[in-house]
Amino acid sequence: EAEVAQSPRYKITEKSQAVAFWCDPISGHATLYWYRQILGQGPELLVQFQDESVVDDSQLPKDRFSAERLKGVDSTLKIQPAELGDSAMYLCACSSGRYTGELFFGEGSRLTVL
Amino acid sequence: GESVGLHLPTLSVQEGDNSIINCAYSNSASDYFIWYKQESGKGPQFIIDIRSNMDKRQGQRVTVLLNKTVKHLSLQIAATQPGDSAVYFCAENVAGAQKLVFGQGTRLTINP
Repeated sequence: EAEVAQSPRYKITEKSQAVAFWCDPISGHATLYWYRQILGQGPELLVQFQDESVVDDSQLPKDRFSAERLKGVDSTLKIQPAELGDSAMYLCACSSGRYTGELFFGEGSRLTVL
Repeated sequence: GESVGLHLPTLSVQEGDNSIINCAYSNSASDYFIWYKQESGKGPQFIIDIRSNMDKRQGQRVTVLLNKTVKHLSLQIAATQPGDSAVYFCAENVAGAQKLVFGQGTRLTINP
C-alpha cells in the first residue's frame, strides 16, 4: 500500500535554530497539506498545495514558516527561527483531487524546541 | 465560525460493547464530514465520511449519523475491539472553503 513518507520522525532543536521537514506524498496525488498537531488537539492546517501552487496558507505564520513544493511532488516545510511554542507534530497529508475528505497522512515529524 | 468540538475528551468501554463518539459542529455551511482514527505515534487514518445530504452511512462495524438540525455528528463502533483504542477526530469541510477543520478528539480506551 502506497504511503506518505515524512522525515525526520523526531527532531529536537534549540530555540532560534532552523528546522526543516520533508514530505513525499503518494505518487500522483496532486494535493498536499501540512498540518500542525499540538499534543491533545486536532490537526490544524498550515498550508495546502495544488501541484506546485499554494492554495491556502492563511494559517501559516509567514514570519518564520515557509513551505515549498517546487516540482509539484515532494514538499519541504521550514521554520526559522524555531520558538518554544512550535513544539508539535507536523503532519503531511495528500489527496488525489483538488479536495477530497479522504486525506492520506504520513506518520508525522515530532518537533521539540528547547 | 469554523469550529468543531467533541462532547467528551475520553471514553472507556468494555470489549465487545458498542462505542458511541459524539461531535458537535458550529458551521451550518459545512457540507461534508469525516471521522479519523489516530493511533499513538501515527498519523490520522480515514474511517468513514458522510455528506450533508445524508443522515446515516454505514461501513464495516462503523456507522456515522448526522443530525443537521442540531449540528451533531456521531460515530458508532460495533463490538469494540482492543484495536479500536485510539483518538477519534471528527472533521468538517465548509462548502466552498475546501479546507478540512478538525475537532479536538476523543480518546477511546477498551477495558478487557
